[in-house]
Amino acid sequence: GAGVSQSPSNKVTEKGKDVELRCDPISGHTALYWYRQSLGQGLEFLIYFQGNSAPDKSGLPSDRFSAERTGGSVSTLTIQRTQQEDSAVYLCASSLAVGSYNEQFFGPGTRLTVL
Amino acid sequence: QQQVKQSPQSLIVQKGGISIINCAYENTAFDYFPWYQQFPGKGPALLIAIRPDVSEKKEGRFTISFNKSAKQFSLHIMDSQPGDSATYFCAATKAAGNKLTFGGGTRVLVKP
Repeated sequence: GAGVSQSPSNKVTEKGKDVELRCDPISGHTALYWYRQSLGQGLEFLIYFQGNSAPDKSGLPSDRFSAERTGGSVSTLTIQRTQQEDSAVYLCASSLAVGSYNEQFFGPGTRLTVL
Repeated sequence: QQQVKQSPQSLIVQKGGISIINCAYENTAFDYFPWYQQFPGKGPALLIAIRPDVSEKKEGRFTISFNKSAKQFSLHIMDSQPGDSATYFCAATKAAGNKLTFGGGTRVLVKP
């Protein structure tokens, strides 16, 4: 694969439902990041993975949000009991390794709409 | 607390003109300052980046100026082209973790 891929590209759900968003990083990239982009809050960090562990979950807005990464590759962001304020574009990025100077490559995002 | 402040929110420039976007940061632990370009429906893409030990970096028509004492940095787009019309985000990060803290974004429109 050439770049970071995310699925689905769009997701419409009803308030109170659970959703899962998937990220496939660039092959060989050990670091994976989740960000959220919304009109009111701009681009904000959610969580990052080094391998399969998540050293920094500080950006997750509530305990309804969780993420996991398996096999050092694919990651899933899960939002339970979705609320309208969860509506946003969820972006995934990956980099070769953790560290300032490693470029983060972003996927196209998943647009989540909570009705 | 908004750690990276970006201005202006939007900018209209004529083709061939100069676009200037400014950012200010608060956290002196930041040690890497990238700029991202985002087109509608796409994820952000790295445009150019600078480290605090350098006052200026130029890549083609794009230049970052960095003022460590003022905790400010800016992006200059020279000879702006319609294809440069996009949203630009400044960002900052620390050595550990590499999570990006973004500015609020600037929507640039280059008129032909």
